[in-house]
Amino acid sequence: AQSVAQPEDQVKVAEGNPLTVKCTYSVSGNPYLFWYVQYPNRGLQFLLKYITGDNLVKGSYGFEAEFNKSQTSFHLKKPSALVSDSALYFCAVRTESGGSYIPTFGRGTSLIVHP
Amino acid sequence: DTEVTQTPKHLVMGMTNKKSLKCEQHMGHRAMYWYKQKAKKPPELMFVYSYEKLSINESVPSRFSPECPNSSLLNLHLHALQPEDSALYLCASSQPATGAVNYGYTFGSGTRLTVV
Repeated sequence: AQSVAQPEDQVKVAEGNPLTVKCTYSVSGNPYLFWYVQYPNRGLQFLLKYITGDNLVKGSYGFEAEFNKSQTSFHLKKPSALVSDSALYFCAVRTESGGSYIPTFGRGTSLIVHP
Repeated sequence: DTEVTQTPKHLVMGMTNKKSLKCEQHMGHRAMYWYKQKAKKPPELMFVYSYEKLSINESVPSRFSPECPNSSLLNLHLHALQPEDSALYLCASSQPATGAVNYGYTFGSGTRLTVV
């Protein structure tokens, strides 16, 4: 079964500092990995994906993620955090079921960026 | 148009009411999904429609009844709900699993449902 794990419930960082939100995966075959962000009372917004190719993936709002096959990780990063980055972040892996591709989500990590 | 539109944004209903949630997309996606999300938890898959046919029902109680009238519309009919059904209901759409890499999974902003 495909799965992802987000080991941290919450990450706190000061504005202007680099941030990392961790994700590890367990898949059979090639992993298709995603990061989504959810602001309060909103749907999930797509940030970035890894399908194949470069291990460093660049996404929306200055976020990037590094795919590491040996460590089975796909950590989300940003060089300089903003207060407006405070939100709930979900890592996901693509799973095929019933003729559809469905994201299997991690439990989510709440990112708090303080001034 | 690259959006999934959900209406209403907020809904308060009594346990004896009947109401419907609506989801619409015009991206040509042929798979549509309903999710239920509790606060600070990941979305839980409820139903999947592929080419307007129900392909996955994740053991959802019968008080939730999905409907896909055409390739752009997805409804969720609600009847005799319980307070524990209060949650954010999200719709999403994508291309079905055709082997295409960029299948464009897109979420709507959700309907915040409160059952009183």
